[in-house]
Amino acid sequence: EVHLVQSGTEVKKPGESLKISCRGIGYTFTDFWIGWVRQMPGKGLEWLGIIYPDDFDTRYNPSFQGHVTISVDNSINTAYLQWSSLLASDTAVYYCTSHGNYGGSDFDNWGQGTLVSVSS
Amino acid sequence: DVVLTQSPLSLPVTPGQPASISCRSSQSLGHSDGNTYLNWFLQRPGQPPRRLIYKVSLRDSGVPDRFSGSGSGTYFTLKISRVEAADVGVYYCMQGTFWPRTFGQGTKLEIK
Repeated sequence: EVHLVQSGTEVKKPGESLKISCRGIGYTFTDFWIGWVRQMPGKGLEWLGIIYPDDFDTRYNPSFQGHVTISVDNSINTAYLQWSSLLASDTAVYYCTSHGNYGGSDFDNWGQGTLVSVSS
Repeated sequence: DVVLTQSPLSLPVTPGQPASISCRSSQSLGHSDGNTYLNWFLQRPGQPPRRLIYKVSLRDSGVPDRFSGSGSGTYFTLKISRVEAADVGVYYCMQGTFWPRTFGQGTKLEIK
């Protein structure tokens, strides 16, 4: 059975760095795109970026480019989303998702979400 | 970015009755490969989104056949033939044809 297991809740201060993770279980990790989606409190869904683990092809939503970094470690089937300097406005739940090209294959799985809370 | 506009934003439905949600795109979602990458998701309270429909009309595994998707170009519809209590949550359309991918603003379905 396919699972995406995300790291736990984070409570941080503005200006701090953070790296959250998403481990793929039960499928060939390098065969599918990994994406990160943000959901701010009480709001809708936004794509931050995607990465193809097999060749590290990475695409960022221009709205988030330069503020977040997406990476993978294929030796442990894990993807990461990281910030070098958090803002209070980064407070949100972050979901990882594994899926086919354009989100248009029969493979689509989501992690349970990681809550990131940033406050002084 | 492609803007997806859903209607209605709130949808109260009596159990057993049908429901319909529309999703209008600011650009045609037909891809040069011949596919149209328009998906539908349901997010139940406190849960991650779950995809129901992909490429306009293909149901994901385990999704009841009460759910159906249709449309083309810039106008798409999700229909539920007979609403059940388990269908409560927020429905989102999402396009994958263009980067960045974008979601509609969501439609909250509630039981009357």
